[in-house]
Amino acid sequence: QTVVTQEPSLTVSPGGTVTLTCASSSGAVTSGSYPSWFQQKPGQAPRALIYSTSNKQSWTPARFSGSLLGGKAALTLSGVQPEDEADYYCLLYYGGALVFGGGTKLTVL
Amino acid sequence: QVQLQESGPGLVKPSQTLSLTCTVSGGSISSGSYYWSWIRQPAGKGLEWIGRIYTSGSTNYNPSLKSRVTISVDTSKNQFSLKLSSVTAADTAMYYCARGYNNYLPGMGVWGQGTTVTVSS
Repeated sequence: QTVVTQEPSLTVSPGGTVTLTCASSSGAVTSGSYPSWFQQKPGQAPRALIYSTSNKQSWTPARFSGSLLGGKAALTLSGVQPEDEADYYCLLYYGGALVFGGGTKLTVL
Repeated sequence: QVQLQESGPGLVKPSQTLSLTCTVSGGSISSGSYYWSWIRQPAGKGLEWIGRIYTSGSTNYNPSLKSRVTISVDTSKNQFSLKLSSVTAADTAMYYCARGYNNYLPGMGVWGQGTTVTVSS
């Protein structure tokens, strides 16, 4: 089964910019992988942020953006806020099956 | 505003079948072109996609769970359900249901709050 890999942890300063990535063991991530991104805070259900590479939910703050970068899916946070500290998961589509990445724990410090 | 709510037993004995239901409110499960998914998350670990069902009734399952999973939909009750057979302690997790995006786009745009299932004798 395909493995989806994310950075286990990242640290960013408030007001800074950070990029989280999502790689596939089966090759380059493309728009056909329909990358999605989710934010999960402790004790809460995941919340969708981005779908189909770069489309935002109505509640997604403008500082979040999705893209493809060097064969990976990427989630960039610009002007990070303390409330952005959370776990972030990507999700990739493989012709009927869906696979989550292992998640990135983002610390704002 | 569509909302999802998971329900079912919080405790299941090993080797038995886990059964959960997701009730959809604020809209009809039959309207639009969505698929409906189940996802789980063991405590302190990451998310695992279990499977999904289209409003037409067709399904896709995680290959690692396929032999034990059945997802079904009951449009008359505005619900869809998960059955996971022959459970073990490894199936202990928070279970979420979620709705995808219109036009069958992959992903999960709306999530339920989740329900905890413990497998123990």
